[in-house]
Amino acid sequence: EAGVAQSPRYKIIEKRQSVAFWCNPISGHATLYWYQQILGQGPKLLIQFQNNGVVDDSQLPKDRFSAERLKGVDSTLKIQPAKLEDSAVYLCASSPDWGGRVEQFFGPGTRLTVL
Amino acid sequence: AQTVTQSQPEMSVQEAETVTLSCTYDTSESDYYLFWYKQPPSRQMILVIRQEAYKQQNATENRFSVNFQKAAKSFSLKISDSQLGDAAMYFCAYRIGTASKLTFGTGTRLQVTL
Repeated sequence: EAGVAQSPRYKIIEKRQSVAFWCNPISGHATLYWYQQILGQGPKLLIQFQNNGVVDDSQLPKDRFSAERLKGVDSTLKIQPAKLEDSAVYLCASSPDWGGRVEQFFGPGTRLTVL
Repeated sequence: AQTVTQSQPEMSVQEAETVTLSCTYDTSESDYYLFWYKQPPSRQMILVIRQEAYKQQNATENRFSVNFQKAAKSFSLKISDSQLGDAAMYFCAYRIGTASKLTFGTGTRLQVTL
């Protein structure tokens, strides 16, 4: 079974530029998550989708971050414009369902450096 | 707000020995789940073990086991017969039963030496 795919793996941009990350979840997984992992910290949930609807985006900085999950499969996370503090690893995860003891499966992440 | 605390930024263990990673959490909920995730240097995080709060019996998965102390809100991970492949960041995480958001601790970096 293929895992969660993410691209690109690395990205370096200058502040005020735009960037987009792509995620392809495990086939059949209805729930998709985007996490931000700043160096030295644990992952923090940015947004959660159930199929193509947003379940939780309470910690997404909506003035600069946006995300979509068209057709309930792939997802794109965008930052526009980027700030220095956005430097982090962006992790995508998926699960067949949500809540309780359901396991989330993580992708390898995209490491973003904002100069 | 729910918080997860891992007080050991780094730990080291010799191969074949046993090590325990600590985790405490703070919640007023009665229905919740606890997880330990492993993040190797390649950064793909994988689930190591999980525990339902309503279960008194500690979860075990081969060489990995937990010591779940509900009253103390403690959830430590014990790795027995440590192997070189166990070297990674280990994150403790918490989830309320009715939600799916995971709240992570800051992680413990485990080194395994020969």
